[in-house]
Amino acid sequence: DAGITQSPRHKVTETGTPVTLRCHQTENHRYMYWYRQDPGHGLRLIHYSYGVKDTDKGEVSDGYSVSRSKTEDFLLTLESATSSQTSVYFCAITPADGGYTFGSGTRLTVV
Amino acid sequence: AQSVTQPDIHITVSEGASLELRCNYSYGATPYLFWYVQSPGQGLQLLLKYFSGDTLVQGIKGFEAEFKRSQSSFNLRKPSVHWSDAAEYFCAVGPYFGNEKLTFGTGTRLTIIP
Repeated sequence: DAGITQSPRHKVTETGTPVTLRCHQTENHRYMYWYRQDPGHGLRLIHYSYGVKDTDKGEVSDGYSVSRSKTEDFLLTLESATSSQTSVYFCAITPADGGYTFGSGTRLTVV
Repeated sequence: AQSVTQPDIHITVSEGASLELRCNYSYGATPYLFWYVQSPGQGLQLLLKYFSGDTLVQGIKGFEAEFKRSQSSFNLRKPSVHWSDAAEYFCAVGPYFGNEKLTFGTGTRLTIIP
């Protein structure tokens, strides 16, 4: 499905620990995005990337960092996880015909 | 700043009935508009999109949407719903083609009753 995969699919972690989520794409798309989905809030943009080593903040970037050292991989890191970061995280890419193609999501629980 | 409002949190319709989901957007220029569908526990799938041209756009699964600039709306419609249409629907707006940085609405959950 458009060659975008997220890992892990599920993760439970403890408050204060670092967590890294991975988004991998196989189609050489330039733009990649990380969103979080929470009930009542829809999807909110955390960070995005417009190329290798080129990233920028979205509307809910506090507590998150990202890295893109290769075109195909976009990593999202929670430096010190908090319970408010319990969420479902989606990665997306922009295909040639516009819009987004989403990954299957990562369900993260911070206990 | 761009924004999207989906005023209906939850809608229930009977199978075979028509459907309209509302979406209002706020954006200063010509927007790029999208509808996505999410089945429980799944990712989001693109239903349709509007960039320019004909204001009535056709999508997958028999859905269509109409862009009305004067009303800042992009409502989603289907003439006859099927039980498999039960899902959550998200409207989104973006500034331009390419690095779209989409802004999503909060979603409308659709329930289908027999």
